[in-house]
Amino acid sequence: QVQLVESGGGVVQAGRSLRLSCAASGFTFSNYGMHWVRQAPGKGLEWVAVIWSDGSNKYYADSVKGRFTISRDNSKNTLYLQMNSLRAEDTAVYYCAKPWDADSSGSGAFDIWGQGTVVTVSS
Amino acid sequence: DIVMTQSPDSLAVSLGERATINCKSSQSVLYSPNNKNYLGWYQKKPGQPPKLLIHWASTRESGVPDRFSGSGSGTDFTLTISSLQAEDVAVYYCQQYYTTRRTFGQGTKLEIK
Repeated sequence: QVQLVESGGGVVQAGRSLRLSCAASGFTFSNYGMHWVRQAPGKGLEWVAVIWSDGSNKYYADSVKGRFTISRDNSKNTLYLQMNSLRAEDTAVYYCAKPWDADSSGSGAFDIWGQGTVVTVSS
Repeated sequence: DIVMTQSPDSLAVSLGERATINCKSSQSVLYSPNNKNYLGWYQKKPGQPPKLLIHWASTRESGVPDRFSGSGSGTDFTLTISSLQAEDVAVYYCQQYYTTRRTFGQGTKLEIK
């Protein structure tokens, strides 16, 4: 079945780095643009970043631009989020999400989500 | 970025009664060439990932009970639960996917009265 499994979360000090992974299965990963979304404790959903299916284009929320980098390895069916210069406000559950539409730019609503990985940034 | 504003922030409804959640976008999410509204609704329960209920503003996702329905066009949208069940207690979010940089509403917490 279609599945996304995140990993790499943990507790990290402010200013340090962390890399999240999202392993995809059950669909042709290389056909889909992919997204990261996060939810801070007690807060709503916040879109973080998107990457085109071939990795050619990447876009970020203003809150993470210049600090986070989204990437992918289509040979490994894996999506990544490199998070540098972490801040306390980056503490959240991070989800990878697959759009409904098999479109290179990741268009469409998110029909498949991973279970999430928890990132805690201590100050 | 398109700003999505939901109302109300919280809602308490009796079992079996109708629940209505509104979502307004700061600009139209209707794409004229295909006449589709790039608007989705999600249900979020604690400890679970969000679940897509509705996309294209009014198309129910496979497996979603028909008591859930979406309506609206342009900038104003509504999610309706026709007869509230206990398992519908959750936070509901609208999301626009008209622009590459997606945005969500702030969420509406739905409880049982």
